[in-house]
Amino acid sequence: QKEVEQDPGPLSVPEGAIVSLNCTYSNSAFQYFMWYRQYSRKGPELLMYTYSSGNKEDGRFTAQVDKSSKYISLFIRDSQPSDSATYLCAMRGGSEKLVFGKGTKLTVNP
Amino acid sequence: DAGVTQSPTHLIKTRGQQVTLRCSPKSGHDTVSWYQQALGQGPQFIFQYYEEEERQRGNFPDRFSGHQFPNYSSELNVNALLLGDSALYLCASSPGQGAGYTFGSGTRLTVV
Repeated sequence: QKEVEQDPGPLSVPEGAIVSLNCTYSNSAFQYFMWYRQYSRKGPELLMYTYSSGNKEDGRFTAQVDKSSKYISLFIRDSQPSDSATYLCAMRGGSEKLVFGKGTKLTVNP
Repeated sequence: DAGVTQSPTHLIKTRGQQVTLRCSPKSGHDTVSWYQQALGQGPQFIFQYYEEEERQRGNFPDRFSGHQFPNYSSELNVNALLLGDSALYLCASSPGQGAGYTFGSGTRLTVV
């Protein structure tokens, strides 16, 4: 079993839709959870950074962490064509090593 | 404020050759990590440097080595290149432990 599982999609939605992305993980030592956005041929860009369980909101983005279920989510409200990218979940425990999911490719259609 | 800068952006090498990739961290960042991202996959941790020493290493062979300089910049060296080393190599920097990482745009290495 991989440490972090993420459905690679692809996911295609109309503009304005609410997008839900998620990851599951197996390592209970993970405490820090991140979502990165990666455009084609670019490096990952940090979107959300959360510690332990709970919700965090930043503009149109909401990150949720449920440590009891080992499940994290990213919600994008009022999705825009510019949100079209690959979204990567990443997490770590006490070490500095980030463990990434495979990424979900999202397309928002005008 | 410049972010993380990586060079070169693209590189083509022949199997068996050696390659050096370079990274300048974001201003104020002293910790540098290297990741390998194969096509369609998430980045895989290679190693991390702090205070010019390798602090942590992922599951990569000794053919992968690195260095950090006093100005916090870093190099990734790969010897005896294999076709499977073809990937996007990402450098990430952070202002110490426990902080979020800023990634560069990467170096795309193709081994033929």
